[in-house]
Amino acid sequence: EVQLLESGGDLVQPGGSLRLSCAASGFNFGTYVMSWVRQAPGKGLEWVSSIATSGDDTFYAGSVKGRFTISRDNSRSTLYLQMNSLIVDDTAIYYCAKYRNDGGSHYAIFDYWGRGTLVTVSS
Amino acid sequence: DIVMTQSPDSLAVSLGERATINCKSSQSVLKSPNKKNYLIWYQQKAGQPPKVLIYWASTRESGVPDRFSGSGSGTDFTLTISSLQAEDVAVYYCQQHYNSPLTFGGGTKVEIK
Repeated sequence: EVQLLESGGDLVQPGGSLRLSCAASGFNFGTYVMSWVRQAPGKGLEWVSSIATSGDDTFYAGSVKGRFTISRDNSRSTLYLQMNSLIVDDTAIYYCAKYRNDGGSHYAIFDYWGRGTLVTVSS
Repeated sequence: DIVMTQSPDSLAVSLGERATINCKSSQSVLKSPNKKNYLIWYQQKAGQPPKVLIYWASTRESGVPDRFSGSGSGTDFTLTISSLQAEDVAVYYCQQHYNSPLTFGGGTKVEIK
């Protein structure tokens, strides 16, 4: 059974930093592109970042580029999101989500999601 | 960036009746080489993460009831629930994966009338 378990969410002051983790199990983690998607309280979904299987290629939303860094440790089946220079608008539930791998072609169809971890940025 | 616009923002439908949700993209999400529309529909129930209902605009995800269907091509798409059940109360989102950044519609909240 595929499982994604996020952790690391917390209350942090504006300008602060936080590192989120997503522990994956039930699938061959190293062969899937992974992403972070966030959802502000009572709001819609916003893609944050994606990372290729090897970790060599990374992609970011404009709203977080230069402040957030996505990374992965395939030996630990774990995805990370380092968040620096946090602002109030970063307050959200952060979900870890898995791309679909169709015969080696990777599609941003988020077929499995974790339950999310809450990040609150407030003074 | 491709902007995804959903309508309506919310709708209330009687049990057993049809619910129709629209999604419009600011540019075509149809890729010529494979003739696929890079459009997904998700369902998000309260307190849960989203769940894939439909991908490639009209392919139902395994295990999704056949009362859910997707249609459309290019820039205009529709999610239809043919006979609304109580368990379908949720917020529905469309998402394009034609290019980066990946973008979602604002969501449509479906309730029982």
